[in-house]
Amino acid sequence: DAKTTQPNSMESNEEEPVHLPCNHSTISGTDYIHWYRQLPSQGPEYVIHGLTSNVNNRMASLAIAEDRKSSTLILHRATLRDAAVYYCILPSSNTGKLIFGQGTTLQVKP
Amino acid sequence: EAGVTQSPTHLIKTRGQQATLRCSPISGHTSVYWYQQALGLGLQFLLWYDEGEERNRGNFPPRFSGRQFPNYSSELNVNALELEDSALYLCASALHEKLFFGSGTQLSVL
Repeated sequence: DAKTTQPNSMESNEEEPVHLPCNHSTISGTDYIHWYRQLPSQGPEYVIHGLTSNVNNRMASLAIAEDRKSSTLILHRATLRDAAVYYCILPSSNTGKLIFGQGTTLQVKP
Repeated sequence: EAGVTQSPTHLIKTRGQQATLRCSPISGHTSVYWYQQALGLGLQFLLWYDEGEERNRGNFPPRFSGRQFPNYSSELNVNALELEDSALYLCASALHEKLFFGSGTQLSVL
């Protein structure tokens, strides 16, 4: 299973952009990159996913490096409600496993 | 549209007992995943069911088992409960590689 590496924690100020990095140097050519987040006392929720090109949705943007060995989740204007643990995951279509690492705990300061 | 529902919300058992946790996926979703999240830890993959069949399981002992019914709902059974089984058990259903999580069952083993 391809592994991902994320910083344990990050801080941001409210209303500022946040860039959450993820390294996945063992990614295969067909692995999608998924991001989920888990707010306190809730199950994880889907944020965004992509394969090669950058992706945008109403929640965030995903910037994928040209060699696909790293990616960055971008929250354009952090709010207090964005404080959560963010997980970068490479789902395996063969095994069905979605391996959640420790993720990055994002703190947003007012 | 109803999301993934799990029951019960909380479950208290004693060592050696059996626990049964239930999950109803989003209508139209045929895949169900189970995860264990112990306090302060990340999500550990338990089981994956698709179309009524167990497709994959994580590194858990055989006393963790489950099944998926014809209506795609699922049960997770934990036999011979141990104190370290105390955790939040999360169920997710999947569509097009996106997981949708329930709010979980908090299992406490005393």
